[in-house]
Amino acid sequence: DAKTTQPPSMDCAEGRAANLPCNHSTISGNEYVYWYRQIHSQGPQYIIHGLKNNETNEMASLIITEDRKSSTLILPHATLRDTAVYYCIVRVVGGSYIPTFGRGTSLIVHP
Amino acid sequence: GAGVSQTPSNKVTEKGKYVELRCDPISGHTALYWYRQSLGQGPEFLIYFQGTGAADDSGLPNDRFFAVRPEGSVSTLKIQRTERGDSAMYLCASSLYGRAGVHEQFFGPGTRLTVL
Repeated sequence: DAKTTQPPSMDCAEGRAANLPCNHSTISGNEYVYWYRQIHSQGPQYIIHGLKNNETNEMASLIITEDRKSSTLILPHATLRDTAVYYCIVRVVGGSYIPTFGRGTSLIVHP
Repeated sequence: GAGVSQTPSNKVTEKGKYVELRCDPISGHTALYWYRQSLGQGPEFLIYFQGTGAADDSGLPNDRFFAVRPEGSVSTLKIQRTERGDSAMYLCASSLYGRAGVHEQFFGPGTRLTVL
């Protein structure tokens, strides 16, 4: 699976949009981009995934660049409960699959 | 419906002892994964089951670790002769399908293992 690079930490004011970047410059054509988050002392929670088109669900939006070498997870109106570590993962579907989480981005939402 | 559950939530043991960690996946999920997470690190893949068989156990650190899923549902991670370095959070996840499907993983709350 392609390696991802994320900033180790970010902060955001409550009510503002949180934009979390992820670089995956070696992504292959059959690899999806997945985002998970992990709130302190809990297991990771799936947020969203995409292949090439932008995606939106009730939790977040995922913007993937046209060359697919990077993506941004957007939390449109961050709340204190969004404070967590956010992981960007690239995974192949249908082939050998060893998920690699990395260290993620620690997002702190402050009042 | 019920999510992934793991028992116990916390386990404290002494060096050299044997421990078993249990995972109950979401009903109907054929794929089950075990991860280990140390403080400040992301989850580290250990083993992946598709049904009853271990489809990929390349993440198991050594032969003290093994896992079973005899009926394709509940899984047990077994650690023999525990060492202090085994102390970590052990996470279990399940998904509707494994490699073939684009399905998200649902994680349990984890078991915190402490080896004294």
